Amino acid sequence: DIVMTQSPDSLAVSLGERATINCKSSQSVSYSSNTRNYVAWYQHKPGQPPKLLIYWASARRSGVPDRFSGSGSGTNFTLTITSLQPEDVAVYYCQQYYGSPPFTFGQGTQVQIK
Amino acid sequence: EVQLVQSGAELKKPGESLKISCQASGYTFTSYWIGWVRQRPGKGLEWMGVIFPDDSDTTYSPPFGGHVIISVDKPINTAYLQWNSLKPSDAGIYYCARFSTPRVAWSPFDTWGQGTLVTVSS
Repeated sequence: DIVMTQSPDSLAVSLGERATINCKSSQSVSYSSNTRNYVAWYQHKPGQPPKLLIYWASARRSGVPDRFSGSGSGTNFTLTITSLQPEDVAVYYCQQYYGSPPFTFGQGTQVQIK
Repeated sequence: EVQLVQSGAELKKPGESLKISCQASGYTFTSYWIGWVRQRPGKGLEWMGVIFPDDSDTTYSPPFGGHVIISVDKPINTAYLQWNSLKPSDAGIYYCARFSTPRVAWSPFDTWGQGTLVTVSS
């Protein structure tokens, strides 16, 4: 199974500042034939189901604020929240959906306000 | 509106059986893979397994295979997750979720149920 490792486990950022979360996969989650990266990012707040933010590593889902962006390829991926807002406090997960199941999640990163 | 509505919270004893449900609406149920995800108390998301409702093709993550059964009832657009013998370690919140692309498993979860809390205690 592909292991997704996020860093850091938690971070505290001042309002309006940038938050950066990294995700590393144990093997490439990209196909050279289509150059797609099979990585998604989710936001999970207490008492709510997870919410899809980013797919194909960098495609922002409709309705997601543009302060959320994803980047990376191969085995290294990043979720960036520019100008952190109070409503962004949550746990963020990366997920790979490459090859055969299981399509594993990272362990999660807790984002808080400093 | 695409929706997944899950059954309510359950309190069970170790060794008991349980079947929780996830009813889909707002789309063609048989065209999209559905998955189940566990969140143990204070822990992260765990990918359990998936099913394609049209033909009940099912795949389980190794830690869950042999301990849970995923099934569907097509006429009522409902997916199920069941246990024949619960363990205390099965306690947690269970989410069903729909894959985003019709007939394709290699896609993210775009719609989630509200979650079902399962408590297992003697």
